[in-house]
Amino acid sequence: DAGVTQSPTHLIKTRGQHVTLRCSPISGHKSVSWYQQVLGQGPQFIFQYYEKEERGRGNFPDRFSARQFPNYSSELNVNALLLGDSALYLCASSLTDQPQHFGDGTRLSIL
Amino acid sequence: QKEVEQNSGPLSVPEGAIASLNCTYSDRGSQSFFWYRQYSGKSPELIMFIYSNGDKEDGRFTAQLNKASQYVSLLIRDSQPSDSATYLCAVPPPGSNYQLIWGAGTKLIIKP
Repeated sequence: DAGVTQSPTHLIKTRGQHVTLRCSPISGHKSVSWYQQVLGQGPQFIFQYYEKEERGRGNFPDRFSARQFPNYSSELNVNALLLGDSALYLCASSLTDQPQHFGDGTRLSIL
Repeated sequence: QKEVEQNSGPLSVPEGAIASLNCTYSDRGSQSFFWYRQYSGKSPELIMFIYSNGDKEDGRFTAQLNKASQYVSLLIRDSQPSDSATYLCAVPPPGSNYQLIWGAGTKLIIKP
């Protein structure tokens, strides 16, 4: 069975641009969560969607937004990119809340 | 005080020995605890989770939970060089089971 898939794997953007990251959950999983991981730190929670509804949002600015589609895939959008947005963006899926299974991540570099 | 704390390491353990990784958490109401392994440049991989006080064993891995002392440990028996990675402890905050609060991770090095 396919695991969580994320695209793209790597992305380079410049300050001020916007970016869209995509995630497909494990088949049958209805919950998708997004995390940001900066080098040397644990992941930070950004969003969780369950059945296409936002269930929770972490302490991130409004430049970060997300949505979940009827097939349970999800997009994370970040506008007005800053240098500090450079990180590994992780998507996780779960049947309900836990446990969460992670995709390989998208490494975003801001120049 | 950070909500989930881990010693950053590195923790160096000889091959074949037992590696012991510790994690403390601040919220007494926390109910479930997760251990993830992360290789350099890769994403976290779930190893084990534990809900009840005591020990939970899965192969070479044992998770130990002590809610009174607010710590959770991961023991790795017969350590192998392939166990060299960063081990992350994650805890859902009470009332928000859909998210995980993470420690910064402990870097484990298994020396052949």
